[in-house]
Amino acid sequence: GAVVSQHPSRVICKSGTSVKIECRSLDFQATTMFWYRQFPKKSLMLMATSNEGSKATYEQGVEKDKFLINHASLTLSTLTVTSAHPEDSSFYICSALPGQGYGYTFGSGTRLTVV
Amino acid sequence: GNSVTQMEGPVTLSEEAFLTINCTYTATGYPSLFWYVQYPGEGLQLLLKATKADDKGSNKGFEATYRKETTSFHLEKGSVQVSDSAVYFCALTPIIQGAQKLVFGQGTRLTINP
Repeated sequence: GAVVSQHPSRVICKSGTSVKIECRSLDFQATTMFWYRQFPKKSLMLMATSNEGSKATYEQGVEKDKFLINHASLTLSTLTVTSAHPEDSSFYICSALPGQGYGYTFGSGTRLTVV
Repeated sequence: GNSVTQMEGPVTLSEEAFLTINCTYTATGYPSLFWYVQYPGEGLQLLLKATKADDKGSNKGFEATYRKETTSFHLEKGSVQVSDSAVYFCALTPIIQGAQKLVFGQGTRLTINP
């Protein structure tokens, strides 16, 4: 139990286009999900906390208009990278807290390459 | 602020070798400490954790002890296998900021050769 599914696993897009990444909790409800970004040879950095039915909470330095987060249901959060540029190329990973005893559960991540 | 520093990889070992991946942290108060593992093509999985000083987390032959005096949480395994090849992340949750924000180290890629 407590599986988080992330899709797509890899995506290549052209500069200026937008890309949507989905994060689904398959067997539990997640009122809160977390979006991380990892640069090569760097830590996973928390970008934002996604809250079901309300606005996401962004970490300092993360552009809200660039990284749009929608958490419209208890099992789905989406991250849309708008007007993507090559510097947005990175590994994005989502996480949720299923509840007592499970700890943080992570998706398998999305490798975004902007060309 | 809160931060985690891991030994830089990649680390390459032969099967049955002894493994140590160093992890030190900076945090206010008494954070909880974690090791996560990411196998190729998969998400991060919790490997082990420790929530207070001198606690030892263990799982699948891996161990790590919460050392407050040295602010460390080094990961060890006595005899590694090829199947242990993965990326390992040390992380903490800072108590003061609440339990929901994980702070990660940069990850250490481990490759075990047969």
